[in-house]
Amino acid sequence: DAGVIQSPRHEVTEMGQEVTLRCKPISGHNSLFWYRQTMMRGLELLIYFNNNVPIDDSGMPEDRFSAKMPNASFSTLKIQPSEPRDSAVYFCASIPGPGTEKLFFGSGTQLSVL
Amino acid sequence: DQQVKQNSPSLSVQEGRISILNCDYTNSMFDYFLWYKKYPAEGPTFLISISSIKDKNEDGRFTVFLNKSAKHLSLHIVPSQPGDSAVYFCAAILWGGKLIFGQGTELSVKP
Repeated sequence: DAGVIQSPRHEVTEMGQEVTLRCKPISGHNSLFWYRQTMMRGLELLIYFNNNVPIDDSGMPEDRFSAKMPNASFSTLKIQPSEPRDSAVYFCASIPGPGTEKLFFGSGTQLSVL
Repeated sequence: DQQVKQNSPSLSVQEGRISILNCDYTNSMFDYFLWYKKYPAEGPTFLISISSIKDKNEDGRFTVFLNKSAKHLSLHIVPSQPGDSAVYFCAAILWGGKLIFGQGTELSVKP
């Protein structure tokens, strides 16, 4: 298995632009998580899905952030409009199902908003 | 309201010595704890875990200790190797819930 696949690896954009991050979870995994890594807060959970349904989006910082999971093999995290303080590494992770503790992470997307 | 805290952003250790990474948590209902390791430009990978009903779990050079009364856990690496240099994240979970991570500690093992 190729593992969790994220794209793009790097994204540089200007303030105000829309940014879309993409994730393909491991096949057969039913839960998907979006995390953001910052120096101050470490790995911060933004949102997670079970069977394509959003379960907890309390970590989404603002309405500018939205996430979708249209099917079991694809998820997007969108920021519109982007701001410099959104600059961070965004990780996607998946697990086989609830109650399984070991997350499998993608390599992350390094986002820079200028 | 950080529920999982790693108060040391960095740690430097000599090769062959013991590395001790610390983690504190606030929610006594957490029932599982994990450590993840992260190399630059890669995603975190699972390292070792411990259930709340245990106080120690060992896997080769890595041992995790859990002190529930103090709401504290630690990761011991003995002996430390240069390849252990990475960022280590502590995490905690309520069954069926979400994994909550700490801020991470960057370990540097000097040859």
